[in-house]
Amino acid sequence: TQLLEQSPQFLSIQEGENLTVYCNSSSVFSSLQWYRQEPGEGPVLLVTVVTGGEVKKLKRLTFQFGDARKDSSLHITAAQTGDTGLYLCAGVNTGNQFYFGTGTSLTVIP
Amino acid sequence: EAGVTQSPTHLIKTRGQQATLRCSPISGHTSVYWYQQALGLGLQFLLWYDEGEERNRGNFPPRFSGRQFPNYSSELNVNALELEDSALYLCASSRGEGNSPLHFGNGTRLTVT
Repeated sequence: TQLLEQSPQFLSIQEGENLTVYCNSSSVFSSLQWYRQEPGEGPVLLVTVVTGGEVKKLKRLTFQFGDARKDSSLHITAAQTGDTGLYLCAGVNTGNQFYFGTGTSLTVIP
Repeated sequence: EAGVTQSPTHLIKTRGQQATLRCSPISGHTSVYWYQQALGLGLQFLLWYDEGEERNRGNFPPRFSGRQFPNYSSELNVNALELEDSALYLCASSRGEGNSPLHFGNGTRLTVT
């Protein structure tokens, strides 16, 4: 059972545009993590959000954890070609079990 | 600190054979997770080991098995290989504490012909 659904699955945008990726679930998580994976490499952690309603910013990336701790979003402002990659959200339950989302493949065109 | 290392990086097997994939976690990490990634998309959870014990396994047939050694390194075994087992197999380690992130290796690309 896939507990976390990401949308969109594929996204192709021009450099300089803004975008939002969504990660939705019907389950409550103790934390939500976002990872980025580039071709030929394993995923790398971008951020962890723990508190419902929490907003974290990482340069041009803004992450938000839903109030009910069931969903999250990632917003990228003025996308750059270096943002190209696969974005994965992961919900973590109290037992330290990780549930990964379906993934969003982002391509930023110069 | 050295990252998570996986070996081999590539593995080619024929249908019906067995494959063994290895993972060395970051020093101090006691938890090891295995994931299958097909078609470059989402990660499918395979196995989770912590302190030498299997904590959970995903919805995969019993021919997928593994173990964790006393030094916390881990091995994934896939018996009776099928063509659809072709995928990138990722190993990740963590401290095993609440909200500790996963640190991934670069994976083993398994091709079954």
